[in-house]
Amino acid sequence: AQKVTQAQTEISVVEKEDVTLDCVYETRDTTYYLFWYKQPPSGELVFLIRRNSFDEQNEISGRYSWNFQKSTSSFNFTITASQVVDSAVYFCALSEAMRGIQGAQKLVFGQGTRLTINP
Amino acid sequence: NAGVTQTPKFQVLKTGQSMTLQCAQDMNHNSMYWYRQDPGMGLRLIYYSASEGTTDKGEVPNGYNVSRLNKREFSLRLESAAPSQTSVYFCASTTGSSPLHFGNGTRLTVT
Repeated sequence: AQKVTQAQTEISVVEKEDVTLDCVYETRDTTYYLFWYKQPPSGELVFLIRRNSFDEQNEISGRYSWNFQKSTSSFNFTITASQVVDSAVYFCALSEAMRGIQGAQKLVFGQGTRLTINP
Repeated sequence: NAGVTQTPKFQVLKTGQSMTLQCAQDMNHNSMYWYRQDPGMGLRLIYYSASEGTTDKGEVPNGYNVSRLNKREFSLRLESAAPSQTSVYFCASTTGSSPLHFGNGTRLTVT
């Protein structure tokens, strides 16, 4: 069965520090997707990134970067020069392969990491 | 462009009451999902509909039923609410090439 573990329940840093959120996953599928979602205090879920299992290139988007390592089954998320607006709960998720059913993605979520950026 | 719309936003029920959570998407997505979010447990899949006309159980289906009314709408019904169903419920939709798009959630309290 698929499983996603975010061992860090809460992280608190001072603004402008770099912070890394860890995500470790388990799956027997060879084809899968990994995701990160952000949930700000307002409660909505905001998509950040999707990565497929065949693409191990690191991704950078502004202050955000993601490190995908299949060898350690990890998909970590780093925020550089953190800002107060980055305060949120961050979820890592893994999609099960839905063979033969186009378009269906059953996401399995980690428990989430609550990130607080203090001014 | 509304995306995924959930109603109501908040609801308080007494134990044993029934209610239906509504979800509609205007993105022509094939697949729709219901998740619940509880503190410290992330989001857990209740039911999903891979395409119009099909529904399947997720990880935590007990106490719930769903209806895929048409391509746009996917409702979640609690027949006899229990305090354990106090949660935030999220509807989501997707098609194969897009990530899941979530609604803004329904906060349900069962007393």
